Amino acid sequence: EAQVTQNPRYLITVTGKKLTVTCSQNMNHEYMSWYRQDPGLGLRQIYYSMNVEVTDKGDVPEGYKVSRKEKRNFPLILESPSPNQTSLYFCASRLRWAGGPDNTDTQYFGPGTRLTVL
Amino acid sequence: GESVGLHLPTLSVQEGDNSIINCAYSNSASDYFIWYKQESGKGPQFIIDIRSNMDKRQGQRVTVLLNKTVKHLSLQIAATQPGDSAVYFCAENIRGYSTLTFGKGTMLLVSP
Repeated sequence: EAQVTQNPRYLITVTGKKLTVTCSQNMNHEYMSWYRQDPGLGLRQIYYSMNVEVTDKGDVPEGYKVSRKEKRNFPLILESPSPNQTSLYFCASRLRWAGGPDNTDTQYFGPGTRLTVL
Repeated sequence: GESVGLHLPTLSVQEGDNSIINCAYSNSASDYFIWYKQESGKGPQFIIDIRSNMDKRQGQRVTVLLNKTVKHLSLQIAATQPGDSAVYFCAENIRGYSTLTFGKGTMLLVSP
């Protein structure tokens, strides 16, 4: 089954304790992305990756790191989490990002990770 | 935790009615648009997309209309069912950018 998986699904942690949220896709997709979702603010992109070893900042990258050593995995790292990073996080992937009106690859989302930083 | 459904505009319909969910976008350079459905506790799910060289696209029970003149996108759901209850997001791709920009969403509540 084609899917995007995230772990953990729920996490409660304390300020300053480094954590990693894993994301994996089994569709051989080139493009992967992380979003956070907050009430009243919608989905905001944190980081994205066009392919292995190619990553770039999204709209809200502060306080986050990512890596793309393999095509299937795109972990999100919080080196020193703070309470304002309490949110619902989604990983997403799509085959590629070609741009333009001919680019209609579907973007698939993972089930989400609810993070609480105390 | 607080639901992402709070603070959202809400559309309440009866089962069997047709639903219309609207989305305004601001960037005239946007050339690709997607509608997503997000059920409680799940990630967004692709519904239908449309390219800027089209005005209308139909799927199964859903139709997306694009009016580039007024920068407006709508999602029409025919014969709405209780299982359609969810938050619906529009997303746009601005030409030349490798990201999607999402709207805040609309909550659709379907009563039996």
